[in-house]
Amino acid sequence: GIQVEQSPPDLILQEGANSTLRCNFSDSVNNLQWFHQNPWGQLINLFYIPSGTKQNGRLSATTVATERYSLLYISSSQTTDSGVYFCAVESNFGNEKLTFGTGTRLTIIP
Amino acid sequence: EPEVTQTPSHQVTQMGQEVILRCVPISNHLYFYWYRQILGQKVEFLVSFYNNEISEKSEIFDDQFSVERPDGSNFTLKIRSTKLEDSAMYFCASRAKRVGANVLTFGAGSRLTVL
Repeated sequence: GIQVEQSPPDLILQEGANSTLRCNFSDSVNNLQWFHQNPWGQLINLFYIPSGTKQNGRLSATTVATERYSLLYISSSQTTDSGVYFCAVESNFGNEKLTFGTGTRLTIIP
Repeated sequence: EPEVTQTPSHQVTQMGQEVILRCVPISNHLYFYWYRQILGQKVEFLVSFYNNEISEKSEIFDDQFSVERPDGSNFTLKIRSTKLEDSAMYFCASRAKRVGANVLTFGAGSRLTVL
């Protein structure tokens, strides 16, 4: 099946800093979603972005489908941004499900 | 904004007991999923369901697991005889899956603790 790798696994930043999270995948995809898992365990959908660039407030994401990676940018980090960020992809080839990466744990220090 | 609703939010059970986790997907969605996440690990696919039957299941989804859509609104996951290693967060998800509406929407999760 499709492989999804995220980097870095852990990231600790001061409040106000910017960060870039990366997601690499092994096959062509027709769906890519970024999620934020908050301290209560809820998966919050941030972006549906199989290709191109989107922005939502301090967050933006870019997927370069031909090169099989996606980036999530967080600007002016706040403590509420802390949590685990997951990338999940759906392969073009058959399987109609999302496969999750191992996540990036982001900790924002006041 | 439409939501996927899961109940219970947390359930504690004894090993060997049957557990049913319930989900109410978004009303016009046709594709339904269960995922699980063992504490500290990544989110894993369990099963997908479409047109009243299982579309795909993972190796985790063995004979102890079953899914059902008993009426037009609910989607349930049953674990027949729970084991300690079934302790996890279970997520339900749904989507419409049509052009321009391919997003999987997840519920808030049901945390299962098996003692």
